[in-house]
Amino acid sequence: NAGVTQTPKFRVLKTGQSMTLLCAQDMNHEYMYWYRQDPGMGLRLIHYSVGEGTTAKGEVPDGYNVSRLKKQNFLLGLESAAPSQTSVYFCASSYASGAYNEQFFGPGTRLTVL
Amino acid sequence: AQSVTQLGSHVSVSEGALVLLRCNYSSSVPPYLFWYVQYPNQGLQLLLKYTTGATLVKGINGFEAEFKKSETSFHLTKPSAHMSDAAEYFCAVSDQRDSSYKLIFGSGTRLLVRP
Repeated sequence: NAGVTQTPKFRVLKTGQSMTLLCAQDMNHEYMYWYRQDPGMGLRLIHYSVGEGTTAKGEVPDGYNVSRLKKQNFLLGLESAAPSQTSVYFCASSYASGAYNEQFFGPGTRLTVL
Repeated sequence: AQSVTQLGSHVSVSEGALVLLRCNYSSSVPPYLFWYVQYPNQGLQLLLKYTTGATLVKGINGFEAEFKKSETSFHLTKPSAHMSDAAEYFCAVSDQRDSSYKLIFGSGTRLLVRP
């Protein structure tokens, strides 16, 4: 099993460009999450999904959109990138159960917006 | 709203010394509690978690943590540090009443291990 994979690993964008980050999991998890990690701030939740076809906003959703058309995939989109979106982005997934809600993380995507 | 405070953005210990990383949470109801470790240029890996039951939780790599409700704390310890423990450690909480099981993370503590 590959677990949680993220594509791409690195990306450099110019201000105003758009891109999509892909997260895929092969553990049949119901729940998926997108976080951003910035120095000294830990990880902050951008958007999440509790099932195929559903999405919800997290703590820092502005400037991002998401889609969950298939259970195994969770896409994060930046429509018009800004330098403030320079960060490391992590995807995670988990079972839909409180006692077993360990989140499994992908390796991350390092995004730089110039 | 829940929050997590990790005291000390950097902790430095000698190899073989006790490791103590502090985590306090703010919540009206005891949450689920987690410690994750992040090695350089990698994703996060679960060290241990507390959901219910025994308040002393053992994890991987010799780490353990104790949930103390009266102190709203979940400090991470390891009796003897190894060079391979050098990494960043994150404490996180999840609200038992929230069916989305979102995690709220602390700001992280970077552990440095001196030879």
